[in-house]
Amino acid sequence: SQTIHQWPATLVQPVGSPLSLECTVEGTSNPNLYWYRQAAGRGLQLLFYSVGIGQISSEVPQNLSASRPQDRQFILSSKKLLLSDSGFYLCAWSVRQGTFSVNYGYTFGSGTRLTVV
Amino acid sequence: AQKITQTQPGMFVQEKEAVTLDCTYDTSDQSYGLFWYKQPSSGEMIFLIYQGSYDEQNATEGRYSLNFQKARKSANLVISASQLGDSAMYFCAMRENSGSARQLTFGSGTQLTVLP
Repeated sequence: SQTIHQWPATLVQPVGSPLSLECTVEGTSNPNLYWYRQAAGRGLQLLFYSVGIGQISSEVPQNLSASRPQDRQFILSSKKLLLSDSGFYLCAWSVRQGTFSVNYGYTFGSGTRLTVV
Repeated sequence: AQKITQTQPGMFVQEKEAVTLDCTYDTSDQSYGLFWYKQPSSGEMIFLIYQGSYDEQNATEGRYSLNFQKARKSANLVISASQLGDSAMYFCAMRENSGSARQLTFGSGTQLTVLP
């Protein structure tokens, strides 16, 4: 079965420090991968998506970047965190083509709560 | 323009009663999918129900049903026999099938509180 792992669960970082959040998927190949951010009490905003290794598309201009060094690994990074980067970050995957999995192709990780202080 | 609109920031319902959470969407695609997710305070996103744009029947999953009105572009979630454990944030989302990314676009959510 497919699983998605996201870590760390909680992170407190000072302003100006770097960031690296990692997401890995198991049990599937060639997934679409996504990074979403959720500000407190708000909906999910798509930050990045990737349809293949090294292929990253950004939805909003920001202080963050993403990389996909391996088929099932998606990394969210920042060189210098801002206070406004605080939020709940969720990684997700979906099948790239064809029929969907039992939950219609979207599985979310457990999320990372980032607080920039 | 907002692709997914949820006009109810917060809703209250008495335990064992039914509640409807509203969702309207905007797309020019003919093929798309509509989703509802539940997010408890732990933050995990729990898939509830899915409706495809070509599905003629309204989707149902246990106590959840989706009232799909294509002409009105609405996809309301109905929860029957509410339980205290239903208290959570609920998000409506849409996937437009054009393009390879097939990302989900979310609404702003509705905070549901079930009262004992």
